[in-house]
Order: sequence, then structure tokens, then C-alpha cells
Amino acid sequence: QTVVTQEPSLTVSPGGTVTLTCASSTGAVTTAYSPNWFQQKPGQAPRALIYSTSNKHSWTPARFSGSLLGGKAALTLSGVQPEDEAEYYCLLYHAGNYFFGTGTKVTVL
Amino acid sequence: QITLKESGPTLVKPTQTLTLTCTFSGFSLSTSGVGVGWIRQPPGQALEWLALIYWDDDKRYTPSLKDRLTITKDTSKNQVVLTMTNMDPVDTATYYCARRLADAYTNYVDYWGQGTLVTVSS
Repeated sequence: QTVVTQEPSLTVSPGGTVTLTCASSTGAVTTAYSPNWFQQKPGQAPRALIYSTSNKHSWTPARFSGSLLGGKAALTLSGVQPEDEAEYYCLLYHAGNYFFGTGTKVTVL
Repeated sequence: QITLKESGPTLVKPTQTLTLTCTFSGFSLSTSGVGVGWIRQPPGQALEWLALIYWDDDKRYTPSLKDRLTITKDTSKNQVVLTMTNMDPVDTATYYCARRLADAYTNYVDYWGQGTLVTVSS
């Protein structure tokens, strides 16, 4: 089964920039994997942020951006706000199925 | 306005079968490219994709659980039902349903239900 790996935790200062990555056990992540990114705060359902690598939903703040970086999907938060402290998950599409990443806890400190 | 809501038992006994219903509004599961998926999240753990049903009744299951899962749809009622057999305490989790859309260029999950916590205990 496909295993999708993310950094367990990252810390960023308010106003700073942080990049989260998403790697697949099947090899390099490409646009064919249609990477999606979600934000989840405690006690809440996940909220969609990015789809198909780099597209934003209508509600996604401009400071969130998606890309491919060194064979992985990446989510960059620029000008981080205190409310960005949350768990972030990637989702990859492969071989007809979907697979979530292990999640990254982002702390704003 | 697009909404999804999960419903079902909050407590099931080991070995029992779990049946969850996702009732949605604001879109149709008969529209090309539309799907509804089920996802779960054990307390304090990561999200896990379970199953997906497409507008054309194609069904996909996560490989590790495919023998225990069945997903069906009732387009007229705007509902998707997930059954999971032989429940075990490790299946204790919040279960979510979500909408999936795709076309020739994009593929995404956008709207989610609020989730329902299912506890497996005797």
C-alpha cells in the first residue's frame, strides 16, 4: 500500500515562511498525483486549501501556495499568522485510490 | 450551499457491522465527475481514506480495508452509505464524508461533513 510521509512537526515565527512537504513511497510525486492540502484545527473537520498541486479554493488565503519540490508536493505558508497553527495533511491520488499523508503539526511561536 | 452530514451509531460492539449514512445537499451524485468519499480519523491520529463512490457507480476501496467495506449510493435521496464489517476497538474514530470533484484538469476534495465519532467497545 502507498505510504505518504510528511514532516511530523514544524515551528515558524509569526510573519515568517514555512514549507511542508509530502512524499510518496511509490516514487516522485508528480502532477498526476493531484496533490491536495488540508488544514485541520482541534475539534474541527479538515478544511480544503490547495488542489491539483497549486490551485486555491475560493476561500483559501493568498498566503498559502502549493508546488512540487524535489519530487515531493509542497505547501508554503508565507507571512504566517497565529491562526495558521494547525495540523496539515496532504492527499495524493494514485492507482485509482486516494492516500493521506501522515500530517504535519505547524506551531506558530 | 453545499453541505454533508454523517449519521449513524455512536457505539458499536466488537464484531458488529457499522452502517453510516452521509446525507448531502447542494450537488448531485448523478453529475459527471462527482464522487463522495469516506474518511476516518482515530483520536489523536492521522486521516485515513476509506472508500469512494463515483457518479457512475464505480467504487474504490482502500486496499488494506477493502474486504470489510461496502459503499453504496441512493441518488434520489442524496445519500451515500458505508458499511464496515467485523468492527474492532481499533476502528474507534471520527468518520467523515466529503465531496470529490474531477474533470480533465483537476481532481479534488472540497466540502466535508462535520464528522461522527464511532466508539467500538463491549
